[in-house]
This record gives sequence, structure tokens and C-alpha cells, in this order.
Amino acid sequence: KNQVEQSPQSLIILEGKNCTLQCNYTVSPFSNLRWYKQDTGRGPVSLTIMTFSENTKSNGRYTATLDADTKQSSLHITASQLSDSASYICVVSGLDAGKSTFGDGTTLTVKP
Amino acid sequence: DAGVIQSPRHEVTEMGQEVTLRCKPISGHNSLFWYRQTMMRGLELLIYFNNNVPIDDSGMPEDRFSAKMPNASFSTLKIQPSEPRDSAVYFCASSPPQMGKNTIYFGEGSWLTVV
Repeated sequence: KNQVEQSPQSLIILEGKNCTLQCNYTVSPFSNLRWYKQDTGRGPVSLTIMTFSENTKSNGRYTATLDADTKQSSLHITASQLSDSASYICVVSGLDAGKSTFGDGTTLTVKP
Repeated sequence: DAGVIQSPRHEVTEMGQEVTLRCKPISGHNSLFWYRQTMMRGLELLIYFNNNVPIDDSGMPEDRFSAKMPNASFSTLKIQPSEPRDSAVYFCASSPPQMGKNTIYFGEGSWLTVV
């Protein structure tokens, strides 16, 4: 069964600090991995998308890495801001790019 | 670009009533998705269309749920009859061609409460 597990479940950091969120998956065969940010009460917004051949992708202060051999991905947030407080969801797709397996998300709280 | 547009944003209805959720995808996108999000189950794919044709509806919970996409710019998700356990946020999303390499854009969701 395809699974996506994210850790930690929740995280609290101080403004300006860095943090790293983890995503492990068992989806096989693998097509792509996406990281989304979901603010409370809003729809998810894409941060990065990586295919098998890519091992890092940046979007501003967000940097995602992918190790397709170990089936692990991480999302690193640099110099956190209060607006980074949100849920971060890892989504993995197999051969059918329309069917994705969602992680349960990591809830990040950035405090002043 | 207006993004994916969903309506209504919020709906409260009584058990047994019919609910219709509407979605306008981003122009030029050829894939459309309906997801449901709850605290217990997270985000789940209900159905997705490619070029207006339903490709996979294995996530549709039961026969009370139906989805249509009569043209490239409009889709509906209908629940009839509705039940309290259908209370959730329903997201519509769309993606341009080659969705395996492209971003899926989500709408802001339709918040459904069935009492």
C-alpha cells in the first residue's frame, strides 16, 4: 500500500530560525513529489515539485530535497517568518500522475 | 489569472438535502480534481478528469456522490442525499497538460456542514 509519512507532526520555532520537515514514502513506481503549504482556512499552495531525476529544488526561502533511493524528502525553511505558520503537506504521485498519496502534514508555528 | 474558482464557499444544509458544489478551473488547464479534506482523514482524492473525461473515480465514497464535467470550464460535485458524515472541506483543483511535471492549483474550498 502506498504511504506517505511526515514528521514531525507539529513544530514550534522562533521567528528567524531555520527548520527542516521530513517526508518518507513507499509509493512505487515513483513519478513526482510535491510540497504544499496550506494556511488555515485556505487551499493548499504548491511550493515545489520534483521528479525522479531532481534532488533539490528551491522556491525563495524554501528548499526541498529528494533522495529517490531511500524514498525520503525534506523541506528546509530558512530564516522563518510569522507568515510561515501553516500546514506543510508532502504529496507523492506514482505512474498515474492524477492519483496522489498525501501525507498528513506538519503543522508549523512560528512565534515572535 | 483568477485561479480555480469554487462556489459556494460555505454551505450549511440539513441531512437528506441535495448539495451541489461548483468549480471553474483555470483556463487552459485540462485536468480537474475533486478532493475532500477532514481532520480525521486529511486530503483525499475523490475523482479526477482529463480533457473533461472522468479518469478515476475510485475515491468517490458511495453512490450518493456524483461528479460531472460538461465542458472544459465547469465541473460539479453533487451529494444526494447528504449525511452529517459528509461534512468536510471540498477542494477543486486543476492542472495544465503534463500534470506529472506541473503544479496542481487548488481553489479555496467549499466548506460543507450537514446537520
